[in-house]
Amino acid sequence: DAGITQSPRHKVTETGTPVTLRCHQTENHRYMYWYRQDPGHGLRLIHYSYGVKDTDKGEVSDGYSVSRSKTEDFLLTLESATSSQTSVYFCAISEPTGAGNTIYFGEGSWLTVV
Amino acid sequence: QKEVEQNSGPLSVPEGAIASLNCTYSDRGSQSFFWYRQYSGKSPELIMSIYSNGDKEDGRFTAQLNKASQYVSLLIRDSQPSDSATYLCAPRGGTGNQFYFGTGTSLTVIP
Repeated sequence: DAGITQSPRHKVTETGTPVTLRCHQTENHRYMYWYRQDPGHGLRLIHYSYGVKDTDKGEVSDGYSVSRSKTEDFLLTLESATSSQTSVYFCAISEPTGAGNTIYFGEGSWLTVV
Repeated sequence: QKEVEQNSGPLSVPEGAIASLNCTYSDRGSQSFFWYRQYSGKSPELIMSIYSNGDKEDGRFTAQLNKASQYVSLLIRDSQPSDSATYLCAPRGGTGNQFYFGTGTSLTVIP
């Protein structure tokens, strides 16, 4: 258990509304990630953070923004949700192990945009 | 763009057989490689990692790595119905903190 909590776990929202997903971790991990997972595409990196206020884009960052004002919280915001953003969103952290940094996932947030 | 290719599946094996899952990757800078198992509706969970060429065994699981061929595989011996899941291959990028995932191989173990 990597101590990751995602909220909300399930959400249905309307096109054009803003949505914020929260990832909370309890073990002071430096690196945090947001991925989305879609059939046929696998897990794709949206944004990641390497410290408070330090974030960078992943491969599918368009339409998403992130913020990290505290070590424990990493927020993903869809400024104006579109149907193409219907997906499962996974937060993850990485921590040092024998293989170098290893990534662990939260339980996921299922988002439906109608 | 860093690509990770996995055999598309679905893969079906009888209970007790060996399941073989394959993965190739494009980033020659990748140093460590991870296999995750994902049950339907759940998040990926780490099975094992490998970072040296050759084989690494952990219980019924064996990971094999060949960096020259940019190839990594996972063997599951004595497959059980509880192994039925999607298996994700994930190289860790050369920068050390970005992880790239294949689309996964769906495995079904038939009792």
